[in-house]
Amino acid sequence: GEQVEQRPPHLSVPEGDSAVIICTYTDSATAYFYWYKQEPGAGLQLLMSVFSNVDRKEEQGLTVLLNKKDKQLSLNLTAAHPGDSAVYFCAVRSSSGSWQLIFGSGTQLTVMP
Amino acid sequence: EAGVTQSPRYAVLQEGQAVSFWCDPISGHDTLYWYQQPRDQGPQLLVYFRDEAVIDNSQLPSDRFSAVRPKGTNSTLKIQSAKQGDTATYLCASSFWGAQDTQYFGPGTRLLVL
Repeated sequence: GEQVEQRPPHLSVPEGDSAVIICTYTDSATAYFYWYKQEPGAGLQLLMSVFSNVDRKEEQGLTVLLNKKDKQLSLNLTAAHPGDSAVYFCAVRSSSGSWQLIFGSGTQLTVMP
Repeated sequence: EAGVTQSPRYAVLQEGQAVSFWCDPISGHDTLYWYQQPRDQGPQLLVYFRDEAVIDNSQLPSDRFSAVRPKGTNSTLKIQSAKQGDTATYLCASSFWGAQDTQYFGPGTRLLVL
């Protein structure tokens, strides 16, 4: 079945710097891609969703890139600030079969003031 | 509009005890999901419903876990005889029915089994 690898597991950046998180998936039928943010003790907050017909999407300081050839999805936080500190998860879903989300293992992002 | 709500937020049990988790999805969402999130891991699907029907429960440990959604709205996830390995956060999510529809998550219930 589908597998998702997410890296790095931990990321520290100074305030104002960019932070990049990368996920690699295995199933070429994967059609839907998501990034979620999880703050301590909270559920998952949807940051952005991308469909497979999109290579790049930008919203509010976030950029998602989708490289279908390499089966890679990335999230770039430009000009990170301390409020961005949280765990970030990528998730993918196939266009057929089960509609469950397959999650990466998460990236703990710390933005230092 | 209210988001997905869950209760309780925390539960602490001894091994062998039973516990139930409750989820109220976003109004109008016909699809409801239960995920288990062990510490420092991503969520893993346990079961999901469309209205009151179970669509996929293949990853639900059926000997001790059960889930129902009798009226197609709220849902209950129950663990009959908890084990230490069940320690995790249990997340509920809801969406409209459709592969492209985004799942929205509740705050979760953090379970500790001693």
